[in-house]
Amino acid sequence: GENVEQHPSTLSVQEGDSAVIKCTYSDSASNYFPWYKQELGKRPQLIIDIRSNVGEKKDQRIAVTLNKTAKHFSLHITETQPEDSAVYFCAASKGGGGNKLTFGTGTQLKVEL
Amino acid sequence: DGGITQSPKYLFRKEGQNVTLSCEQNLNHDAMYWYRQDPGQGLRLIYYSQIVNDFQKGDIAEGYSVSREKKESFPLTVTSAQKNPTAFYLCASSPGTGRSSYEQYFGPGTRLTVT
Repeated sequence: GENVEQHPSTLSVQEGDSAVIKCTYSDSASNYFPWYKQELGKRPQLIIDIRSNVGEKKDQRIAVTLNKTAKHFSLHITETQPEDSAVYFCAASKGGGGNKLTFGTGTQLKVEL
Repeated sequence: DGGITQSPKYLFRKEGQNVTLSCEQNLNHDAMYWYRQDPGQGLRLIYYSQIVNDFQKGDIAEGYSVSREKKESFPLTVTSAQKNPTAFYLCASSPGTGRSSYEQYFGPGTRLTVT
């Protein structure tokens, strides 16, 4: 089955700096890659996603890049703010059969003042 | 995601008892999912359902059971056979078809503690 690895497990940045979180996946048939943000004790919230026919997608301060050849994708957050502090999860799906998501183990991002 | 509800928020049970977690959605989504979240392990898929009266095992189905008698509801039963049931349980739903078919939206979760 699919395996998704996520790094780093913790990331601390100064307010205003950029943060990058990286994920690799094992199944070349995967074609959908969402990113979720989860604040302490809350539900994961979808913040951005990308499909395999696109190399990059941006939404204000966040962007996701995908390298299908290398089977890795990354989340980029620019101009970080304290409210960006949370756990971020990447995931991968190859659609069909229920569009199951396989999640990475999460990155705890801390934005320090 | 405000259209997905889970109850209760916190649940306490004694070892050996079965317990059922509720998940309801009013988003008219075809697909529903149950995940388990443990510290440092991300989310793991327990069961999923693409349509009413049909469901499939996920990666960690042992000790759990589900039903999908209505489109809006996908309850999860944690049985006494589940060796380590204490966890945060998250339900999700997805349109299942169309342009947004892949997008999954989560409920607020139920934190189950078994002692």
